[in-house]
This record gives sequence, C-alpha cells and structure tokens, in this order.
Amino acid sequence: SQQGEEDPQALSIQEGENATMNCSYKTSINNLQWYRQNSGRGLVHLILIRSNEREKHSGRLRVTLDTSKKSSSLLITASRAADTASYFCATGLNTGGFKTIFGAGTRLFVKA
Amino acid sequence: GAVVSQHPSWVICKSGTSVKIECRSLDFQATTMFWYRQFPKQSLMLMATSNEGSKATYEQGVEKDKFLINHASLTLSTLTVTSAHPEDSSFYICSPTPGRDEQYFGPGTRLTVT
Repeated sequence: SQQGEEDPQALSIQEGENATMNCSYKTSINNLQWYRQNSGRGLVHLILIRSNEREKHSGRLRVTLDTSKKSSSLLITASRAADTASYFCATGLNTGGFKTIFGAGTRLFVKA
Repeated sequence: GAVVSQHPSWVICKSGTSVKIECRSLDFQATTMFWYRQFPKQSLMLMATSNEGSKATYEQGVEKDKFLINHASLTLSTLTVTSAHPEDSSFYICSPTPGRDEQYFGPGTRLTVT
C-alpha cells in the first residue's frame, strides 16, 4: 500500500509563479525524497531530506520536513514551463527491512 | 556516476509468454534491488526487494511465482514476468541501491501484453 499521500493531485499555474506540493505519510521514516517524472519517462531524483533535518534547498527547490506532523512540502519557485511533470515524494522506511515507498504524486502543469 | 540500465526499454509480447527484464548497475554495486511497477497515471508501487544472493521479499498482493526475481550479482538483477497477461502491461522500474541514503532508478521497461 502507498505510504504517502500527496496534495494537490494536480496543479496548474502560470510560468513565474511558485508551486507548492505537500506530502503526508503514516509511519516513522529514515528519510524523505522527492522525485520528478516526465510523462512516460524514468525518475529524476530531486532532493533527499533526512529525518533529523527540517529544511533543505537546491536551486529553485525548497523542501521542508515536519516529522511531528508526518508531512513534507516541496516548493518550486519561479516555475518554468519545463517544470511541467509529475512529482512524487518517497519515504525511506526501515521497518521489516529497508525500502522506499512512493506517494501518489502531484501532476504539475506550468503554462507559458 | 550511478548509471543504471534496463533492458529491454520496451517489449510487446503475447499473452501466456514470459518476459525477462534485466537491470544493471554499471558503475556501482547494489546490495539491494527494488522492483517497482507503475500503471498509467499512477505512482510507483513496490513489488519486491532483493538482496544479492538471497530470495526476494515480495509486497502484499504480488505473486512471487508470477514475478520471478533473481539478484545473482551486485550489478545484475532480473525480473521475469511469467505467463504474462494483458493486466501485467505496465512500466517496470528497477532501483539498485548501494546504501540506505542512495537509491538510483533505471530508465524503466514498458511491457505491453497483447
């Protein structure tokens, strides 16, 4: 079963605007990762945040993690049409062996 | 670094036949291999986890006799879909992992069963 739930399921914004995607999960995690996937393509790793970290930045990306609320957010600033893709959070678990479980994903559409 | 290949990248097969998908980590050793399946417009679902030289651990609802996983070496794992049916048509993605904070993904194999 899916570990993470993401919202919104779909998001449509204008180029230049910021996009925020949220992810909630159910159990304790080792880390949380965000990935991007263009339609029909493989995954691109964006950022990993460990359970003892609260915020991380990478270029136009900002990820926050609140383990008390079991939630994370991905912020893409100054979005571009090329950011159009599906974005997934994935939780690294260590229960019954190490594994990574993906959330349902957010489909982002950035209009030029 | 961290190059992962999957072969084939796409395959069409007839119902009832078996298909083998290979996953190779080209520049690192993967102690653990994850196999995921992704249906159109859905997320990745973990199918199974395998460690080199050990039997795979399958997620609930995944038939181990239908999806045979072999993790014979630290750089090669295979997934065989046996007696494939149209409902097995999906995008299969391997994920070789050298350590707990490093996970890499193959480019995926699109399987279409007619």
